[in-house]
Amino acid sequence: LAKTTQPISMDSYEGQEVNITCSHNNIATNDYITWYQQFPSQGPRFIIQGYKTKVTNEVASLFIPADRKSSTLSLPRVSLSDTAVYYCLVGSISGSARQLTFGSGTQLTVLP
Amino acid sequence: NAGVTQTPKFQVLKTGQSMTLQCAQDMNHNSMYWYRQDPGMGLRLIYYSASEGTTDKGEVPNGYNVSRLNKREFSLRLESAAPSQTSVYFCASSERQGVITGELFFGEGSRLTVL
Repeated sequence: LAKTTQPISMDSYEGQEVNITCSHNNIATNDYITWYQQFPSQGPRFIIQGYKTKVTNEVASLFIPADRKSSTLSLPRVSLSDTAVYYCLVGSISGSARQLTFGSGTQLTVLP
Repeated sequence: NAGVTQTPKFQVLKTGQSMTLQCAQDMNHNSMYWYRQDPGMGLRLIYYSASEGTTDKGEVPNGYNVSRLNKREFSLRLESAAPSQTSVYFCASSERQGVITGELFFGEGSRLTVL
């Protein structure tokens, strides 16, 4: 079971790029990396998923180095509305749903 | 298209009382999940159902039971509520089991207080 480690909190200013790194040293060959965003009093929302190298969508980019022991979620030009908790998950279709456990996440606070 | 709907949104129970949290999804997803989230913590998996007719324990199943009533509905029952079960409960669904499929779709949560 791949354990993930993220910073507890981060602060940024509006308009800046934010990078949140997740460590997953014992990631398995079949594991994918998924990031979620959670606002207060809401359920988490899927942001992005990747296996290796780089993935980009309309809201974020995910960078995964060759050894896959870490990953970095990049949020371009954040706004106040990006203040939320961000979770990194690691798992695969061949694994148990027990892997679908969220860590404590990273509280991102965007300041004006 | 409502997505994942949970009822009730708020509930207060006394120790020892029982209740059932209801969850329904309208996305024709195969897998459904129940999580709990305690203040300042991440979500912990209670039970999941990979497909209609199957259920399995997650990380923290003690004190809970589940029923996958049909493909759309997955209920969570507390038989004898305890103060330690005070939490926010989230139901989620996905097309197939596993993170590889990408998206878990979550409901808005049910806030339960046990006195």
